[in-house]
Amino acid sequence: GAVVSQHPSWVICKSGTSVKIECRSLDFQATTMFWYRQFPKQSLMLMATSNEGSKATYEQGVEKDKFLINHASLTLSTLTVTSAHPEDSSFYICSAFGGINPYNEQFFGPGTRLTVL
Amino acid sequence: AQSVTQLDSQVPVFEEAPVELRCNYSSSVSVYLFWYVQYPNQGLQLLLKYLSGSTLVKGINGFEAEFNKSQTSFHLRKPSVHISDTAEYFCAVLNILTGGGNKLTFGTGTQLKVEL
Repeated sequence: GAVVSQHPSWVICKSGTSVKIECRSLDFQATTMFWYRQFPKQSLMLMATSNEGSKATYEQGVEKDKFLINHASLTLSTLTVTSAHPEDSSFYICSAFGGINPYNEQFFGPGTRLTVL
Repeated sequence: AQSVTQLDSQVPVFEEAPVELRCNYSSSVSVYLFWYVQYPNQGLQLLLKYLSGSTLVKGINGFEAEFNKSQTSFHLRKPSVHISDTAEYFCAVLNILTGGGNKLTFGTGTQLKVEL
Protein backbone atom coordinates (compact mmCIF):
# COMPACT_ATOMS: atom_id res chain seq x y z
CA GLY A 1 0.00 0.00 0.00
CA ALA A 2 0.89 3.66 -0.21
CA VAL A 3 2.91 5.32 2.52
CA VAL A 4 1.86 8.27 4.62
CA SER A 5 4.26 9.81 7.10
CA GLN A 6 3.72 12.16 10.01
CA HIS A 7 6.19 14.41 11.74
CA PRO A 8 6.85 14.63 14.57
CA SER A 9 5.80 11.31 16.02
CA TRP A 10 5.84 12.69 19.54
CA VAL A 11 5.81 16.26 20.80
CA ILE A 12 5.68 17.81 24.24
CA CYS A 13 4.99 21.52 24.57
CA LYS A 14 4.13 24.10 27.15
CA SER A 15 0.62 25.43 27.52
CA GLY A 16 0.00 28.44 25.32
CA THR A 17 2.44 27.50 22.57
CA SER A 18 1.56 26.39 19.06
CA VAL A 19 2.49 23.06 17.53
CA LYS A 20 2.61 22.11 13.87
CA ILE A 21 2.14 18.54 12.71
CA GLU A 22 2.99 17.51 9.14
CA CYS A 23 1.34 14.79 7.12
CA ARG A 24 2.98 13.66 3.87
CA SER A 25 1.98 11.20 1.20
CA LEU A 26 5.30 9.76 0.09
CA ASP A 27 4.48 7.91 -3.10
CA PHE A 28 1.18 9.23 -4.36
CA GLN A 29 -0.68 12.48 -4.81
CA ALA A 30 -3.26 13.02 -2.12
CA THR A 31 -6.19 15.02 -3.37
CA THR A 32 -7.77 14.79 0.04
CA MET A 33 -6.32 14.47 3.51
CA PHE A 34 -8.20 13.82 6.71
CA TRP A 35 -7.24 14.73 10.25
CA TYR A 36 -8.44 12.60 13.15
CA ARG A 37 -8.11 12.86 16.88
CA GLN A 38 -8.00 9.87 19.19
CA PHE A 39 -8.21 9.99 22.97
CA PRO A 40 -6.80 7.07 24.97
CA LYS A 41 -8.75 3.86 24.46
CA GLN A 42 -11.29 5.63 22.26
CA SER A 43 -12.14 5.67 18.60
CA LEU A 44 -10.94 8.05 15.93
CA MET A 45 -12.96 11.21 15.58
CA LEU A 46 -12.76 13.07 12.30
CA MET A 47 -11.72 16.68 12.86
CA ALA A 48 -11.54 18.00 9.33
CA THR A 49 -11.19 17.19 5.67
CA SER A 50 -8.77 19.12 3.53
CA ASN A 51 -8.58 19.23 -0.24
CA GLU A 52 -5.48 20.50 -1.95
CA GLY A 53 -5.64 24.21 -2.62
CA SER A 54 -8.89 24.88 -0.80
CA LYS A 55 -10.05 25.57 2.72
CA ALA A 56 -10.54 22.68 5.06
CA THR A 57 -14.00 21.48 6.02
CA TYR A 58 -14.31 21.11 9.76
CA GLU A 59 -16.58 18.72 11.60
CA GLN A 60 -19.17 20.12 13.95
CA GLY A 61 -17.66 21.12 17.28
CA VAL A 62 -14.10 21.49 16.01
CA GLU A 63 -12.70 25.01 16.39
CA LYS A 64 -11.18 25.98 13.07
CA ASP A 65 -9.28 28.90 14.60
CA LYS A 66 -7.64 26.57 17.06
CA PHE A 67 -6.86 23.75 14.68
CA LEU A 68 -5.45 25.35 11.55
CA ILE A 69 -5.19 23.06 8.57
CA ASN A 70 -3.25 23.81 5.43
CA HIS A 71 -3.11 21.57 2.36
CA ALA A 72 -0.76 23.52 0.16
CA SER A 73 0.38 20.70 -2.09
CA LEU A 74 -0.73 17.27 -3.24
CA THR A 75 1.72 15.62 -0.86
CA LEU A 76 1.62 17.76 2.26
CA SER A 77 -0.98 18.83 4.78
CA THR A 78 -0.26 20.48 8.10
CA LEU A 79 -2.26 20.75 11.30
CA THR A 80 -1.33 23.56 13.67
CA VAL A 81 -2.69 23.44 17.18
CA THR A 82 -2.67 27.09 18.25
CA SER A 83 -2.31 28.14 21.88
CA ALA A 84 -2.33 24.55 22.99
CA HIS A 85 -3.74 23.59 26.39
CA PRO A 86 -3.57 20.34 28.35
CA GLU A 87 -7.00 19.30 27.10
CA ASP A 88 -5.57 19.30 23.56
CA SER A 89 -3.27 16.45 24.52
CA SER A 90 -4.22 13.57 22.26
CA PHE A 91 -3.11 11.28 19.46
CA TYR A 92 -3.53 12.99 16.09
CA ILE A 93 -3.71 10.82 12.98
CA CYS A 94 -3.87 11.88 9.38
CA SER A 95 -4.94 9.89 6.37
CA ALA A 96 -4.54 10.55 2.68
CA PHE A 97 -6.75 9.70 -0.23
CA GLY A 98 -5.87 9.90 -3.89
CA GLY A 99 -7.91 10.11 -7.05
CA ILE A 100 -11.56 10.79 -7.67
CA ASN A 101 -12.98 7.36 -6.93
CA PRO A 102 -14.67 7.74 -3.52
CA TYR A 103 -14.10 4.06 -2.80
CA ASN A 104 -10.35 4.39 -2.99
CA GLU A 105 -8.56 3.41 0.16
CA GLN A 106 -7.51 5.98 2.73
CA PHE A 107 -3.94 5.44 3.86
CA PHE A 108 -3.18 6.34 7.44
CA GLY A 109 -0.13 7.94 8.93
CA PRO A 110 1.51 6.53 12.08
CA GLY A 111 0.10 9.29 14.26
CA THR A 112 1.51 12.09 16.40
CA ARG A 113 1.19 12.06 20.14
CA LEU A 114 0.83 15.56 21.54
CA THR A 115 1.33 16.21 25.23
CA VAL A 116 0.67 19.72 26.50
CA LEU A 117 2.08 20.50 29.93
CA ALA B 1 -25.08 9.41 8.02
CA GLN B 2 -24.39 5.73 8.36
CA SER B 3 -22.80 4.41 11.52
CA VAL B 4 -21.36 1.20 12.94
CA THR B 5 -21.59 -0.34 16.39
CA GLN B 6 -19.00 -2.54 18.01
CA LEU B 7 -20.61 -4.13 21.01
CA ASP B 8 -17.50 -5.69 22.52
CA SER B 9 -14.93 -3.32 23.96
CA GLN B 10 -12.58 -6.15 24.88
CA VAL B 11 -12.24 -9.72 23.68
CA PRO B 12 -9.77 -12.00 25.46
CA VAL B 13 -8.85 -15.22 23.70
CA PHE B 14 -6.22 -17.91 24.01
CA GLU B 15 -3.61 -18.35 21.33
CA GLU B 16 -4.63 -20.66 18.48
CA ALA B 17 -8.31 -20.30 19.39
CA PRO B 18 -10.81 -18.84 16.92
CA VAL B 19 -12.12 -15.33 17.40
CA GLU B 20 -15.03 -13.24 16.18
CA LEU B 21 -15.20 -9.47 16.58
CA ARG B 22 -18.67 -8.11 16.09
CA CYS B 23 -19.75 -5.12 14.04
CA ASN B 24 -23.26 -4.03 13.15
CA TYR B 25 -24.09 -1.24 10.74
CA SER B 26 -27.05 1.07 10.45
CA SER B 27 -29.47 0.02 7.76
CA SER B 28 -29.00 1.59 4.37
CA VAL B 29 -29.45 0.89 0.69
CA SER B 30 -25.76 0.81 -0.09
CA VAL B 31 -23.09 0.27 2.50
CA TYR B 32 -19.32 0.11 2.29
CA LEU B 33 -17.60 -1.44 5.26
CA PHE B 34 -14.03 -1.71 6.48
CA TRP B 35 -12.03 -3.33 9.24
CA TYR B 36 -8.82 -1.71 10.44
CA VAL B 37 -6.22 -2.80 12.97
CA GLN B 38 -4.23 -0.45 15.18
CA TYR B 39 -1.15 -1.54 17.08
CA PRO B 40 -0.09 0.54 20.11
CA ASN B 41 1.03 4.05 19.24
CA GLN B 42 0.61 3.45 15.54
CA GLY B 43 -1.78 4.47 12.79
CA LEU B 44 -4.40 2.25 11.22
CA GLN B 45 -3.85 -0.57 8.77
CA LEU B 46 -6.60 -1.85 6.51
CA LEU B 47 -7.46 -5.50 7.12
CA LEU B 48 -10.25 -5.85 4.59
CA LYS B 49 -13.17 -4.08 3.01
CA TYR B 50 -16.56 -4.81 1.53
CA LEU B 51 -17.77 -2.66 -1.35
CA SER B 52 -19.91 -5.11 -3.31
CA GLY B 53 -19.88 -8.63 -4.67
CA SER B 54 -19.11 -11.70 -2.60
CA THR B 55 -20.33 -11.40 0.96
CA LEU B 56 -17.31 -13.28 2.32
CA VAL B 57 -14.32 -11.01 2.25
CA LYS B 58 -10.80 -12.24 2.90
CA GLY B 59 -8.17 -9.89 4.21
CA ILE B 60 -4.61 -9.83 5.41
CA ASN B 61 -3.13 -11.79 8.30
CA GLY B 62 -5.68 -14.59 7.92
CA PHE B 63 -8.71 -12.46 8.78
CA GLU B 64 -12.04 -12.62 7.00
CA ALA B 65 -15.42 -10.99 7.40
CA GLU B 66 -18.90 -11.76 6.22
CA PHE B 67 -21.35 -9.14 5.09
CA ASN B 68 -24.81 -10.14 6.30
CA LYS B 69 -27.54 -7.88 5.01
CA SER B 70 -30.40 -9.48 6.91
CA GLN B 71 -28.60 -9.07 10.22
CA THR B 72 -26.89 -5.80 9.23
CA SER B 73 -23.62 -7.24 10.43
CA PHE B 74 -20.01 -7.38 9.27
CA HIS B 75 -18.27 -9.55 11.83
CA LEU B 76 -14.53 -10.15 11.66
CA ARG B 77 -13.21 -13.66 12.16
CA LYS B 78 -9.97 -15.53 12.38
CA PRO B 79 -9.84 -19.32 12.82
CA SER B 80 -6.63 -19.34 14.88
CA VAL B 81 -5.15 -16.26 16.51
CA HIS B 82 -1.56 -15.51 17.41
CA ILE B 83 -0.03 -13.38 20.12
CA SER B 84 0.87 -10.86 17.45
CA ASP B 85 -2.82 -10.27 16.73
CA THR B 86 -3.15 -8.43 20.03
CA ALA B 87 -4.29 -4.97 18.97
CA GLU B 88 -7.27 -2.64 18.67
CA TYR B 89 -9.68 -3.40 15.85
CA PHE B 90 -11.99 -0.82 14.34
CA CYS B 91 -14.97 -1.33 12.12
CA ALA B 92 -15.79 1.60 9.85
CA VAL B 93 -18.40 2.63 7.31
CA LEU B 94 -17.76 4.88 4.35
CA ASN B 95 -20.19 7.73 3.93
CA ILE B 96 -20.36 9.15 0.43
CA LEU B 97 -21.17 12.84 0.76
CA THR B 98 -23.81 14.43 -1.44
CA GLY B 99 -21.56 17.35 -2.27
CA GLY B 100 -18.75 15.05 -3.30
CA GLY B 101 -16.08 13.42 -1.26
CA ASN B 102 -16.37 10.82 1.42
CA LYS B 103 -15.59 10.19 5.04
CA LEU B 104 -15.07 7.19 7.25
CA THR B 105 -17.05 6.80 10.44
CA PHE B 106 -15.47 4.47 12.96
CA GLY B 107 -16.88 2.24 15.62
CA THR B 108 -15.65 2.50 19.18
CA GLY B 109 -13.12 -0.28 18.70
CA THR B 110 -12.55 -3.74 20.15
CA GLN B 111 -9.38 -4.58 22.04
CA LEU B 112 -8.32 -8.11 21.14
CA LYS B 113 -6.02 -9.61 23.75
CA VAL B 114 -4.45 -12.92 22.88
CA GLU B 115 -3.14 -14.89 25.82
CA LEU B 116 -0.87 -17.91 26.05
